[in-house]
Amino acid sequence: QSVLTQPPSVSGAPGQRVTISCTGSSSNLGADYDVHWYQQLPGTAPKVLIYGDNKRPSGVPDRFSGSRSGTSASLAITGLQAEDEAVYYCQSYDTTVSLFVLFGGGTKLTVL
Amino acid sequence: EVHLVESGGGLGKPGGSLRLSCAASGFTFTNAWMSWVRQAPGKGLEWIGRIKSKSDGGRIDYAEPVRGRFTISRDDSKNTLFLQMSSLKTDDTGFYFCATQGVDGIGWYVFDNWGQGTLVTVSS
Repeated sequence: QSVLTQPPSVSGAPGQRVTISCTGSSSNLGADYDVHWYQQLPGTAPKVLIYGDNKRPSGVPDRFSGSRSGTSASLAITGLQAEDEAVYYCQSYDTTVSLFVLFGGGTKLTVL
Repeated sequence: EVHLVESGGGLGKPGGSLRLSCAASGFTFTNAWMSWVRQAPGKGLEWIGRIKSKSDGGRIDYAEPVRGRFTISRDDSKNTLFLQMSSLKTDDTGFYFCATQGVDGIGWYVFDNWGQGTLVTVSS
């Protein structure tokens, strides 16, 4: 069970806006550690989509945006496209002894 | 262009050992922090451990499930990262990815480049 909680799945029609939540606790997101988001297309390696809560690496469309508040973070995708169908993971850090790098459980985005 | 190629995966027996390699190119390997991340079939991502650059102290940290069983090392002269896996368990089955940190200028604590992964299957 991941310490960062994501919904297992979300869906939307082409052109719509969807959001994916990532909920943590006081020892990770609440401790002000940065949140990063990754996109994993079917059969491929993950790719960084958002870093430092809300920054996009070069080449990532501005349809993707990140935000955070307290112990939660969100990834928003606007103008949904068929090629956005993938699994999305949030990632942060934790201050507890046994954890260091945390990934959320992943959210499967289906474009209807 | 950053290129990471993992190798060494295959079938291992419970209690056995395997050694994975990650050949890196397209960036200054010496300066990079490197991590291993695994993914059980059909499951999510799990960080295994990270080795910092020698200039940053070379510290190695591991996730609790593999601490004491897995060892991360690097050979900067060969631009290669290693993962020595011992006392293998069936739960260690999955794809193993190597990933860079601090290469693309977007921060040390984000995984900015990933290899395609190598599959490890632990079964008797």
